[in-house]
Amino acid sequence: SQQGEEDPQALSIQEGENATMNCSYKTSINNLQWYRQNSGRGLVHLILIRSNEREKHSGRLRVTLDTSKKSSSLLITASRAADTASYFCATETSYDKVIFGPGTSLSVIP
Amino acid sequence: DGGITQSPKYLFRKEGQNVTLSCEQNLNHDAMYWYRQDPGQGLRLIYYSQIVNDFQKGDIAEGYSVSREKKESFPLTVTSAQKNPTAFYLCASSITADTYEQYFGPGTRLTVT
Repeated sequence: SQQGEEDPQALSIQEGENATMNCSYKTSINNLQWYRQNSGRGLVHLILIRSNEREKHSGRLRVTLDTSKKSSSLLITASRAADTASYFCATETSYDKVIFGPGTSLSVIP
Repeated sequence: DGGITQSPKYLFRKEGQNVTLSCEQNLNHDAMYWYRQDPGQGLRLIYYSQIVNDFQKGDIAEGYSVSREKKESFPLTVTSAQKNPTAFYLCASSITADTYEQYFGPGTRLTVT
């Protein structure tokens, strides 16, 4: 069964709007990462947040982690057409390798 | 794509043939990984290697084989035993097996007919 699962599966917004994607997971984690994948390409690491952290920022990206709810969110502010991609959360536990969720497909319309 | 190369980008094979996908990294990373990605799904781990001359099965190793004779190279062979080999294959590396940030190659799209 999947450890992490993103929500929504697909998201379409206008350029300039904010995009929020969520990731829920089942078991306790050591850390959670977010990756971006442009169509037909490899994944690019965005942010890693550790289990004892609640929020991290990187440029226009904000990631939150709520371990009591076993969930994380990725917020992209002031979206651009170039943000169009699939976004994956990946969880790491004490007993397993990094496990990727199925992803959220984001379309930013110019 | 962070110093990891995969070749070729597209690969076509007939059913029943073995095929080897190349993955090379110049990042001096100890750990390397192979993932399979199917449409609408996340990445599934096929094999990983924490160090030269060592590798471990991932979640879907059946029908695949790997070798790690050199630190910079981790080729994946898709054998004829793999029942549904058509997929997008991604290779990744990390500094060590305990370093969670992974660097990905551009991927190889394999089509078997």
